[in-house]
Amino acid sequence: GENVEQHPSTLSVQEGDSAVIKCTYSDSASNYFPWYKQELGKRPQLIIDIRSNVGEKKDQRIAVTLNKTAKHFSLHITETQPEDSAVYFCAASIGRDNYGQNFVFGPGTRLSVLP
Amino acid sequence: DGGITQSPKYLFRKEGQNVTLSCEQNLNHDAMYWYRQDPGQGLRLIYYSQIVNDFQKGDIAEGYSVSREKKESFPLTVTSAQKNPTAFYLCASQENTEAFFGQGTRLTVV
Repeated sequence: GENVEQHPSTLSVQEGDSAVIKCTYSDSASNYFPWYKQELGKRPQLIIDIRSNVGEKKDQRIAVTLNKTAKHFSLHITETQPEDSAVYFCAASIGRDNYGQNFVFGPGTRLSVLP
Repeated sequence: DGGITQSPKYLFRKEGQNVTLSCEQNLNHDAMYWYRQDPGQGLRLIYYSQIVNDFQKGDIAEGYSVSREKKESFPLTVTSAQKNPTAFYLCASQENTEAFFGQGTRLTVV
């Protein structure tokens, strides 16, 4: 089955610097890759996603890149701000026995933006 | 206010007791999910349901049970057979590819 690895597990950056989180997946059939942000004590929320027919997607300070051949995708946050501090989860879609698509999540990256 | 609601936020139970976690949504989503979140392990799928009166086991279903009698509700029962039930439990509903999560229930078994 699908296995999603995520690195690093923790990341500290200075405010204004960039942060990069990388994920790898194992199932070449996965075709959708969302990223969720979970602030302390809050629910995970979708921040950006990418489909397998696209190599890169941007939304203001956030971008995601996908390398299908290497089976890895990355989250890039530029000009980091204290409110970016959170746990970030990557995920890869999988099909389960014709019951639609579910997700396998990575273990998460705790990002701390230092003032 | 539309969304997905889990209750209670914190739950304490004695070892050997079954406990049921509530999950309600008014988003009119067909698909609902239960995840378990442990430190360093991300979100692991316990059970999911794509439609009323139907549900499927996820990756770590042992020791858990669910029901889906109504579209809006997907309760999770943590049974005494679950060897390590203390964890943070997240419910989600899904529209197309986006999952909407509840606030979670932190279950502590003593």
